[in-house]
Amino acid sequence: QVQLQESGPGLVKPSETLSLTCSISGASISSRSHYWAWIRQPPGKGLEWIATIYFSGNTYYNPSLKSRVTISMDTSMTQFSLTVSSVTAADTAIYYCSSYQTLDNYFDTWGQGILVTVSS
Amino acid sequence: DIQMTQSPSSLSASVGDTVTISCRASQTVRSYLNWYQQKPGKAPKPLIYGASNLESGVPLRFSGSGSETDFTLTIRSLQPEDFATYYCQHSFSADVTFGPGTKVEI
Repeated sequence: QVQLQESGPGLVKPSETLSLTCSISGASISSRSHYWAWIRQPPGKGLEWIATIYFSGNTYYNPSLKSRVTISMDTSMTQFSLTVSSVTAADTAIYYCSSYQTLDNYFDTWGQGILVTVSS
Repeated sequence: DIQMTQSPSSLSASVGDTVTISCRASQTVRSYLNWYQQKPGKAPKPLIYGASNLESGVPLRFSGSGSETDFTLTIRSLQPEDFATYYCQHSFSADVTFGPGTKVEI
């Protein structure tokens, strides 16, 4: 059973870069059964897909965030990461990492989420 | 990109009611439509994938239907633990999109 855990700083200053890591247990990034994604949720608001990375290394980004976001895989194949540059208060959100099942095309496992606040 | 809308944005219901939530895509997503349930302070949980397939472990009172652009999530005999926010999400293309959510309140 796949389990995911987000980690990273809970507070980031405006204009700086936000960096988060998702640790995977019960699966490997190289598995063809899943892609790996980041999704965020501003306080009291809905879900926003940020980015997805495939086992091939191919990446896909939300067009509204593409210029500031990078998703990457760790060489250990048990972690993947997200960076968001030039953050503003609008980037304050709970950030979830998730696995996307390739057979049925849905987000089947989610991490517990990590609240990141952008504030000086 | 494909835009998702949901209606209503919120609804009030009682235990035992049947609740219907609608989701509409701005263009066809065939049957690539998923539903998630989110309770306060928790991560979303998958309920339905492929428009009508029940995720393992999800009670049979949940069902999904629809195709192309119009989809429905139905909850029959609403239980206390079903009061939550429900999101639809398309997976027709790599740039997936979530609907804005429907909050089901007592």
